[in-house]
Amino acid sequence: LAKTTQPISMDSYEGQEVNITCSHNNIATNDYITWYQQFPSQGPRFIIQGYKTKVTNEVASLFIPADRKSSTLSLPRVSLSDTAVYYCLVGDSGNTGKLIFGQGTTLQVKP
Amino acid sequence: DTEVTQTPKHLVMGMTNKKSLKCEQHMGHRAMYWYKQKAKKPPELMFVYSYEKLSINESVPSRFSPECPNSSLLNLHLHALQPEDSALYLCASSQVTNQETQYFGPGTRLLVL
Repeated sequence: LAKTTQPISMDSYEGQEVNITCSHNNIATNDYITWYQQFPSQGPRFIIQGYKTKVTNEVASLFIPADRKSSTLSLPRVSLSDTAVYYCLVGDSGNTGKLIFGQGTTLQVKP
Repeated sequence: DTEVTQTPKHLVMGMTNKKSLKCEQHMGHRAMYWYKQKAKKPPELMFVYSYEKLSINESVPSRFSPECPNSSLLNLHLHALQPEDSALYLCASSQVTNQETQYFGPGTRLLVL
């Protein structure tokens, strides 16, 4: 299973764009990259998933370079409510549903 | 309806008690999961059910006993737990067990005294 590495924490201010990068050097050919958000005492919530290049939805963008050894979650114009832990996950190519959460990045958005 | 519900929200139990956690989804998902999350740590997978059959047991102690009575329900039976088992227990579901998005419930906060 591909291991992921993310910064432990990041600080930002309201209205700024936040980019969180995740390294996954051993990603397998069939693996997708998925990001989840978790608020305290709640379950993780799916944000975005991608395989290559760029994916955008109403919440975030995900940039994946050609070698797929890293990915960057981009949150445009963050607000205080975006303060949360963000997890980067790389799926199990054996299709078992086994998700391995890394340590995650705690994003603190300040006013 | 994209909701996974879990009951109870909070549970306090002694080491000799028997209790059960319940998880329910009505999205037609055929894969369901139990995770354990300690404070300030990432969720850790415990069990995976695929089409109501246990497909993954991550070497979880036998004092945790999962059950999937039907495609919408997932239970976790607890017996003779230890204080170190205190944690947030999260249930999740997905359409199937490939790399589909997993939908998580709010969790059950368990305290073992």
